[in-house]
Amino acid sequence: EVQLVESGGGLVQPGGSLRLSCAASGFSFSDHYMDWVRQTPGKGLEWIGRIRKKTNSYTTEYAASVKGRFTVSRDDSRNSLYLQMNSLKTEDTAMYYCTPHRGDYWGQGTLVTVS
Amino acid sequence: DIQMTQSPSSLSASVGDRVTITCRASQGISNYLAWFQQKPGKAPKSLIYDASSLQSGVPSKFSGSGSGTDFTLTISSLQPEDVATYYCQQYTTYPITFGQGTRLEI
Repeated sequence: EVQLVESGGGLVQPGGSLRLSCAASGFSFSDHYMDWVRQTPGKGLEWIGRIRKKTNSYTTEYAASVKGRFTVSRDDSRNSLYLQMNSLKTEDTAMYYCTPHRGDYWGQGTLVTVS
Repeated sequence: DIQMTQSPSSLSASVGDRVTITCRASQGISNYLAWFQQKPGKAPKSLIYDASSLQSGVPSKFSGSGSGTDFTLTISSLQPEDVATYYCQQYTTYPITFGQGTRLEI
C-alpha cells in the first residue's frame, strides 16, 4: 500500500522558518520526481516545487512565489522528501502536500500557519 | 505560465446524470493533463493521467478525453459519493498549474 505521511507543520511567525518532511512507502521513491503542492484554506491547489531523481542530478524547480525562500530536498536512503521554508509570509499559510510527479498518490497533508 | 480554466465553476446535477467538466489550457499541452477529485476535508485523489488514462482502482464511470488545449472529464452515472471538487492539472511546462476547480453537487 502506498503511503505518504507529511509532518512538521505548525504555527510560525512571519519571517520565521519551518522544515516539512514527507515519509514515503509502498512505491519506488527513488525512481520518482517528487513535488510539493499547497492549498490555502478554502482555495485551490498550487504547485510550489519539484526535485528530480538521482539520474537527473536531483535538480529542482520552483514556483515564482517561493523561489529563493523555499528549498526542496530528498534522502532516498530514508525514502523521505523535505521542504525547507524560510522568510515565511502570512500568504504561505496553507495545507502542504507531497506527491510524486503527476500526482498519482497524495498524503494527508500538514498544515502551516504563519501568523 | 500556462493558465488552466475549468468550466463550469460549480455544477448541480441529479443522481444518474452524465456529467461533463471542461478544462482549457492557454496553450497546447499535448496530453500532459491530470484530473483530481477532492472531497471536503480530504486530500486530492488522482482519477486520470495523460488526459485519458484511468488511474488504478478508479471506477470506469470516470473518463477523460482531449489533447492540445481542450479536455473533458466525464462521470457517466452520478452517485452521491461523487460530490466533490474536481481539478485539472497540466504537467508539461513549469510552473505546473491547476485549474481553479469545479464544485459538483447533487
